[in-house]
Amino acid sequence: AQTVTQSQPEMSVQEAETVTLSCTYDTSENNYYLFWYKQPPSRQMILVIRQEAYKQQNATENRFSVNFQKAAKSFSLKISDSQLGDTAMYFCAFMMATGANSKLTFGKGITLSVRP
Amino acid sequence: KAGVTQTPRYLIKTRGQQVTLSCSPISGHRSVSWYQQTPGQGLQFLFEYFSETQRNKGNFPGRFSGRQFSNSRSEMNVSTLELGDSALYLCASSVLGGVAYEQYFGPGTRLTVT
Repeated sequence: AQTVTQSQPEMSVQEAETVTLSCTYDTSENNYYLFWYKQPPSRQMILVIRQEAYKQQNATENRFSVNFQKAAKSFSLKISDSQLGDTAMYFCAFMMATGANSKLTFGKGITLSVRP
Repeated sequence: KAGVTQTPRYLIKTRGQQVTLSCSPISGHRSVSWYQQTPGQGLQFLFEYFSETQRNKGNFPGRFSGRQFSNSRSEMNVSTLELGDSALYLCASSVLGGVAYEQYFGPGTRLTVT
């Protein structure tokens, strides 16, 4: 079974600064996907970024980038130039890439507050 | 394209009753997954349907069931409601059910059991 751990329950960052959210996972699989989802107060889950385990290059999406360390089973999210709209809960999630499976395993989430 | 829609958005039920929640995926999406979100347990996978067949199931009691229709719309049913079933129920659809792909979530149904 896969597990995803987000050890920091809360973080705070000043607007325009950079923040890194940590995530570790445990799996015996070699092929998988990792995701960061954002859940603002509206509760709508929004995909932030995706990383395929077979890709060595770290994924980036505008101000969001990841640091994927496969051997260490670490998958952190860096948010640059933080904006007030980034205030939300952030969930790290794992999905196997084997056969017919769309199950996401989520971490407990981290509440990020961006201060003006 | 319209996003994933879920109805109703809010629901209040009494312990012992049953409830049916509905999810309409993005047009063309064939896979629908359901998740339960609670403050204590976080986000937990309930089940996934693809082409009207349950393909994956989480670790929930048999009171939780679901189905998918030929138009890919899905329903989940919870019978004999318990207080602990109070949660946000999220459904998600994905493009290619056979390939692990990013999932798009609906706004959720907030179920309160009294």
